Amino acid sequence: EADIYQTPRYLVIGTGKKITLECSQTMGHDKMYWYQQDPGMELHLIHYSYGVNSTEKGDLSSESTVSRIRTEHFPLTLESARPSHTSQYLCASSESKGDYGYTFGSGTRLTVV
Amino acid sequence: KNQVEQSPQSLIILEGKNCTLQCNYTVSPFSNLRWYKQDTGRGPVSLTIMTFSENTKSNGRYTATLDADTKQSSLHITASQLSDSASYICVVSDRGSTLGRLYFGRGTQLTVWP
Repeated sequence: EADIYQTPRYLVIGTGKKITLECSQTMGHDKMYWYQQDPGMELHLIHYSYGVNSTEKGDLSSESTVSRIRTEHFPLTLESARPSHTSQYLCASSESKGDYGYTFGSGTRLTVV
Repeated sequence: KNQVEQSPQSLIILEGKNCTLQCNYTVSPFSNLRWYKQDTGRGPVSLTIMTFSENTKSNGRYTATLDADTKQSSLHITASQLSDSASYICVVSDRGSTLGRLYFGRGTQLTVWP
């Protein structure tokens, strides 16, 4: 069973709305990530965090922002959603030591109309 | 440029048959290679992970191989089941940064027909 949870699973919103995608993990992992995935395409890293109060932008430019106030929580926020933000957003976490064990959430499918 | 290429892009097989998926990468320096299974609308789930010194690793009906010299990996699925229908993603990690950066392939979409 996955120990990383994303909500909502699906979201349809209008252009200009502010939204927050939630991600929580119960494994005590220090590292957390947000990926964006379009159908048939590879995952692209948009944000990552090494720990509390640590956030960095990933490879793919994104208008979203993230915060890491608690170890287990890594929410992603879009201040003003646009149709170009329509995509699947996947949250993941991993241990600090070693290079193993990425665990992914089930994702949030976002549609902006 | 660090890249991960997978083939075929899609594959249809009959239930009970075997299949092999390919992954070629140019990521350097190499740390490890992972195969993930991603069901439609879900997050990827890890199948295997291999480091430089490992040539083969099995997980039930899934067997992954790695040739670090030619930078190729394969995922062999035996006695396929309908539940194997999914996208299979090859992911390579480098040792070049503290992030342990991941490079993702686009996946092979496998469909198993009854």
